[in-house]
Amino acid sequence: GAVVSQHPSRVICKSGTSVKIECRSLDFQATTMFWYRQFPKQSLMLMATSNEGSKATYEQGVEKDKFLINHASLTLSTLTVTSAHPEDSSFYICSGSGGGQNNEQFFGPGTRLTVL
Amino acid sequence: QKEVEQDPGPLSVPEGAIVSLNCTYSNSAFQYFMWYRQYSRKGPELLMYTYSSGNKEDGRFTAQVDKSSKYISLFIRDSQPSDSATYLCAMRRGVLGFQKLVFGTGTRLLVSP
Repeated sequence: GAVVSQHPSRVICKSGTSVKIECRSLDFQATTMFWYRQFPKQSLMLMATSNEGSKATYEQGVEKDKFLINHASLTLSTLTVTSAHPEDSSFYICSGSGGGQNNEQFFGPGTRLTVL
Repeated sequence: QKEVEQDPGPLSVPEGAIVSLNCTYSNSAFQYFMWYRQYSRKGPELLMYTYSSGNKEDGRFTAQVDKSSKYISLFIRDSQPSDSATYLCAMRRGVLGFQKLVFGTGTRLLVSP
């Protein structure tokens, strides 16, 4: 399967600061990238969908001004958590898809964010 | 009611057992069904995908879809301790990669030696 990387794998920050998470598709062009959040013992919850060069589409209840998504190229998307608070602590996972018929979503290894 | 229901487990079985994992769903528009395996603190890994009803086999894994009952299953034969993980079902309305997936909560599987 295709490879997606995320950086950093783990980050600890103080409340009120901003954190940027990178998601890269290493061996394919991800026309669409997805950002998920996963709380302990819960499933993946889609936060937003982004297509290269377009504004992201956010799911209901996700604050677009707090979770800034940029998908500037076919291999890179970033998620910036602005003014992070302890309740933002979670496991953030991205996935990429080539977008065509039967193209699957390939997931990154995830980023564990802890906000103190 | 959630669109996709999945028993969170944990499901504990001895090595060599046949494992059956299941999901039910409520939206009849779902046509594309997937099973992912997720190890602790890792991203999900795609195991199987099927389109519409029927069975699909890949090694020790068999995926089954019954659209009339809105029920999907993943069977694991000759289970191994390395199969211990959380198994997530996922589905979407169409076959296109930009369409979003809806996930079940995941079933935690424990295979003991």
